[in-house]
Amino acid sequence: AQRVTQPEKLLSVFKGAPVELKCNYSYSGSPELFWYVQYSRQRLQLLLRHISRESIKGFTADLNKGETSFHLKKPFAQEEDSAMYYCALSGRAGAGSYQLTFGKGTKLSVIP
Amino acid sequence: DSGVTQTPKHLITATGQRVTLRCSPRSGDLSVYWYQQSLDQGLQFLIQYYNGEERAKGNILERFSAQQFPDLHSELNLSSLELGDSALYFCASSVAGQGAYEQYFGPGTRLTVT
Repeated sequence: AQRVTQPEKLLSVFKGAPVELKCNYSYSGSPELFWYVQYSRQRLQLLLRHISRESIKGFTADLNKGETSFHLKKPFAQEEDSAMYYCALSGRAGAGSYQLTFGKGTKLSVIP
Repeated sequence: DSGVTQTPKHLITATGQRVTLRCSPRSGDLSVYWYQQSLDQGLQFLIQYYNGEERAKGNILERFSAQQFPDLHSELNLSSLELGDSALYFCASSVAGQGAYEQYFGPGTRLTVT
């Protein structure tokens, strides 16, 4: 079974402060991990995936297989980063199919 | 705009009733996924269809069913509705049915059961 845990429901930081949104996963195979973001009144959208190793909007995430973690980081938070962030894992759900399992999300609030 | 559309935006109905939610995937995407988002359970995967066929099943109740039509749009049918079925229902699409392809989400349908 695959599981994604985001331990913080709410994270408040001041503008300009570093941000780290935690994500831990449980999966027996080789995981494919994503971060999705949902801004207020908008649809869920992909922020980044571990396989591309890119930085989007200043956010980065490194897959640590030893700690089974995929924490999302940004050195300097901006007010427009305030949103709901979901960590997700894509793993095999059966023969030839994959399932995206989401964590329960962390609401990031950036205080001006 | 990701191109995934969902109708209706809002739906209010009574317990015991049946509703149908509709989703149109992005042009060219063959896979459609349905998710339920509630305050206590978070975002839960319900079911996936790929090119008209069921591909994967998640935490979908027997009272719920889905299908994908030849034009690739999908419908999620919820019957014998209970108060606990009140939630946001998201549809997502991706280009393929296998592998970790990016999923593009629709705006969701908010279902309220009274």
